[in-house]
Amino acid sequence: GAGVSQSPSNKVTEKGKDVELRCDPISGHTALYWYRQSLGQGLEFLIYFQGNSAPDKSGLPSDRFSAERTGGSVSTLTIQRTQQEDSAVYLCASSWTSGGQETQYFGPGTRLLVL
Amino acid sequence: GDSVTQMEGPVTLSEEAFLTINCTYTATGYPSLFWYVQYPGEGLQLLLKATKADDKGSNKGFEATYRKETTSFHLEKGSVQVSDSAVYFCALSDRRGYSTLTFGKGTMLLVSP
Repeated sequence: GAGVSQSPSNKVTEKGKDVELRCDPISGHTALYWYRQSLGQGLEFLIYFQGNSAPDKSGLPSDRFSAERTGGSVSTLTIQRTQQEDSAVYLCASSWTSGGQETQYFGPGTRLLVL
Repeated sequence: GDSVTQMEGPVTLSEEAFLTINCTYTATGYPSLFWYVQYPGEGLQLLLKATKADDKGSNKGFEATYRKETTSFHLEKGSVQVSDSAVYFCALSDRRGYSTLTFGKGTMLLVSP
């Protein structure tokens, strides 16, 4: 596709369940980023991938959060034992390279609601 | 650490009014600066960017100039339209190494006919 896609677009889950969020970056983009957008915290960085490696995981809020990227393309963000405070919109972005001047292109996000 | 401060909203304007949304930043290096826009029900879109001091980014009638001396990147538009109603985010990325974005809290703009 032409842009970054994410699935599902909406996810409702019960507290304590695990969820997986998927991101398909723009073809050829080597850098991939996950962010979280919530009412209280605004937009926060979670994790960055260069290829299949994650040099920076510093934004992951707890060890319940993990992410992987395979084939230098698709990435999955997994949240284990979800909590209500995990409710947010999870955004994925990609860019050609990881240089500071590169434009990041964002997907539409996955809206997660934990009941 | 890096941070971005932008004016709180909502900013409410009538169509054809002049718009300014203030943005200031704190960074240890020499960041690139961005304005992203989020229209209702849509994802974040890049509006404009500037990568070095005194650069002016522009798009769709919006402009912002990278002012290193005042560490600012204020967004302006001479005549807003109803269709400009959205949330605007100022952001920076450190030009050294990789570039995670640090965002401001966002400013909602509401334009009435």
